[in-house]
Amino acid sequence: GIQVEQSPPDLILQEGANSTLRCNFSDSVNNLQWFHQNPWGQLINLFYIPSGTKQNGRLSATTVATERYSLLYISSSQTTDSGVYFCAALNYGGSQGNLIFGKGTKLSVKP
Amino acid sequence: KAGVTQTPRYLIKTRGQQVTLSCSPISGHRSVSWYQQTPGQGLQFLFEYFSETQRNKGNFPGRFSGRQFSNSRSEMNVSTLELGDSALYLCASSLAPTAEQYFGPGTRLTVT
Repeated sequence: GIQVEQSPPDLILQEGANSTLRCNFSDSVNNLQWFHQNPWGQLINLFYIPSGTKQNGRLSATTVATERYSLLYISSSQTTDSGVYFCAALNYGGSQGNLIFGKGTKLSVKP
Repeated sequence: KAGVTQTPRYLIKTRGQQVTLSCSPISGHRSVSWYQQTPGQGLQFLFEYFSETQRNKGNFPGRFSGRQFSNSRSEMNVSTLELGDSALYLCASSLAPTAEQYFGPGTRLTVT
């Protein structure tokens, strides 16, 4: 089945800095999503991006499907950006029709 | 439009008991999936339902079961609870199996 790897596993930033989180996946995908998990455990949707580039405020994401990776950019980071960011991919067909999650990137933004 | 709701939010059970968790999807969504999150194993897929049919099941023992009703609401059941079943159980809904998935707040289950 599809494998999803995220890097780096941990990231510490000063407030105002920019960062790039990477997600590599091992097969073609029908669905690629980025989530931010809040302190209470809920997964907050950031982007649905099986290919192309999207932007939402200080966040943007790019997926290069042919090279099997996705990037999440966070600009001018704020302390409220702290938390765990997950990438999840879905390849619908064969034996799998569910999101496969990476292990996450734990981001800490210091004031 | 209301988001995905899950009940109960917190649950404490004793080993050997059984538990039922409930998930109400976003209105109009017919696909519901369940995931288990633990510190050691991360987020793992449990089941996927679409139009009352289980289309996919993760690698979990038969103690874990689920169903979906005609209104798309879903329940999952865990029988003969074990300590290792302590986890955050997350439900997600989507318009269709490959569409964007939206997650509920989760049910945090503690087995003592």
